[in-house]
Amino acid sequence: DTGVSQDPRHKITKRGQNVTFRCDPISEHNRLYWYRQTLGQGPEFLTYFQNEAQLEKSRLLSDRFSAERPKGSFSTLEIQRTEQGDSAMYLCASSDRSGRFGETQYFGPGTRLLVL
Amino acid sequence: GESVGLHLPTLSVQEGDNSIINCAYSNSASDYFIWYKQESGKGPQFIIDIRSNMDKRQGQRVTVLLNKTVKHLSLQIAATQPGDSAVYFCAENKKAAGNKLTFGGGTRVLVKP
Repeated sequence: DTGVSQDPRHKITKRGQNVTFRCDPISEHNRLYWYRQTLGQGPEFLTYFQNEAQLEKSRLLSDRFSAERPKGSFSTLEIQRTEQGDSAMYLCASSDRSGRFGETQYFGPGTRLLVL
Repeated sequence: GESVGLHLPTLSVQEGDNSIINCAYSNSASDYFIWYKQESGKGPQFIIDIRSNMDKRQGQRVTVLLNKTVKHLSLQIAATQPGDSAVYFCAENKKAAGNKLTFGGGTRVLVKP
């Protein structure tokens, strides 16, 4: 257990529905990242926050995706009008800028999304 | 049923032997590299990291080697144990790129008893 928690762990939804995932980072970490992982692949970066500011978004993050971190603590990732291609594991990670070499990112257990 | 897309390179190793997992990275400007272990149904777990100004770093039963000339990274696991069975990913990071990680393709390690 890294200290990063995600909820729910699994989500099954029908195409066209909206879904929202939550991530609670390690409490003293000021950076929070979202990644998406499909079967057999490594995680792919989606977006990241420093405190409450969203500093970067990947081109993978279509306009159906939105992420927030309103108080600089937990974050939510919402997918609107889900498509079957959104089926994946959604991973959250957090990091601390005071890391020894760089910013080691610690990952949560992920939310596995299946869109039917 | 068949797992379409699940074509990870696989390393089969006898329990007690050493494992070497290789990774080629793409960005010569990357300055920080990390190895993660991912067990089925779980998120990636940090194993060891190395900065670009080093060529070797050792942890408990693990050693990471970095060859910047050929942009190659390796992870050595000593005395491989059944609990080491997992998918291993290398990741690179470029601070100027906002610290997002770029992951390489994974390698599945299967430890035979």
